[in-house]
Amino acid sequence: AQSVTQLGSHVSVSEGALVLLRCNYSSSVPPYLFWYVQYPNQGLQLLLKYTSAATLVKGINGFEAEFKKSETSFHLTKPSAHMSDAAEYFCAVSEGFQKLVFGTGTRLLVSP
Amino acid sequence: EADIYQTPRYLVIGTGKKITLECSQTMGHDKMYWYQQDPGMELHLIHYSYGVNSTEKGDLSSESTVSRIRTEHFPLTLESARPSHTSQYLCASSGSQGDNQPQHFGDGTRLSIL
Repeated sequence: AQSVTQLGSHVSVSEGALVLLRCNYSSSVPPYLFWYVQYPNQGLQLLLKYTSAATLVKGINGFEAEFKKSETSFHLTKPSAHMSDAAEYFCAVSEGFQKLVFGTGTRLLVSP
Repeated sequence: EADIYQTPRYLVIGTGKKITLECSQTMGHDKMYWYQQDPGMELHLIHYSYGVNSTEKGDLSSESTVSRIRTEHFPLTLESARPSHTSQYLCASSGSQGDNQPQHFGDGTRLSIL
């Protein structure tokens, strides 16, 4: 069965600093991977998805993620954090038939 | 722009009441899902549907039930609410073109059972 591990339940950065949110997956087949963002009192919004077309995936709001098969990782990065990036971020892997398995989430805190 | 709608957004209700959480989508998606999410926690799939008259239980056992009589509508019902049902419930949908299709989420219903 597929699974996702997100290291760090909380990540704190200063405004303008690099954002790095870690995600490692376990999958017996080539995976489809997703990053979602959840703002307070809202549902999840798709940031980006990996579908094997390219290992570096660009998403919305300046985020990108790199698929590394050798490391079974799909870390999310943004060169310069903005206050509006403060939210909960979820990594997910497709389990087939479009069922998703989500990680436990990482809360990003951005300080001025 | 939201194409998947959940009502109510917030509900505070007493123990023993029957509750129906509504979810509708305007994208014509065949697949729909219900997740349960406790504050600051991961999402757990409790129900899903691959089309009209198709419903399946998810990975997390739930006392709720669902129905799918119309493509766009996927309501969740609790026959007798209990405090243990207090949680946030998120509805999602996805298209049919392969496993790389993302799920689109509603804004959720935050349910509190007194």
